[in-house]
Amino acid sequence: AQSVTQLDSQVPVFEEAPVELRCNYSSSVSVYLFWYVQYPNQGLQLLLKYLSGSTLVKGINGFEAEFNKSQTSFHLRKPSVHISDTAEYFCAGLNTGTASKLTFGTGTRLQVTL
Amino acid sequence: DGGITQSPKYLFRKEGQNVTLSCEQNLNHDAMYWYRQDPGQGLRLIYYSQIVNDFQKGDIAEGYSVSREKKESFPLTVTSAQKNPTAFYLCASSKGSWSGHNEQFFGPGTRLTVL
Repeated sequence: AQSVTQLDSQVPVFEEAPVELRCNYSSSVSVYLFWYVQYPNQGLQLLLKYLSGSTLVKGINGFEAEFNKSQTSFHLRKPSVHISDTAEYFCAGLNTGTASKLTFGTGTRLQVTL
Repeated sequence: DGGITQSPKYLFRKEGQNVTLSCEQNLNHDAMYWYRQDPGQGLRLIYYSQIVNDFQKGDIAEGYSVSREKKESFPLTVTSAQKNPTAFYLCASSKGSWSGHNEQFFGPGTRLTVL
């Protein structure tokens, strides 16, 4: 079975500061990994995904994530955040085998303040 | 514009009543999903359908039912058997199911409150 862990439930940060949202996964098989963003009372929007190839993945809104197989991590980063980045961020994983469901982490609330 | 619509946005229900949440997509996607979201728990899969007239239980199907009579529609019924139905419900769709190449697109959600 696969699990996805987001270690921080909330991350406060000042505007224009860098941020890292942590995600770790556990799986005995290869995985695909995703980061989604959810603004208040809205659905989820895909930020980026790792399927294979380069371990550094760039997404929308200036976000990027690095797949680290040895540390089983897929942390999300942004060098300079904006107030509009305030949202809930979800990490999710999917085993590369068939008949596997998308597993979500519990989410990290990013709060950007002036 | 292509996308997923969910209605209503807010729904109030009395205990003991069944209620149906609507989900429609015009993306021509084969697969559709229902998730439940509770604070601090992330998203949990209720039901999913890979093709018309077929659907499977997810991780928390008890107290819920679905149908998939049309490709573009996947309504979810929350029955009186669901012990704690107050939550935010999200519908999603994808071209095919459970593949990294098949991104799931989400609707705006329905917030259900049981009074």
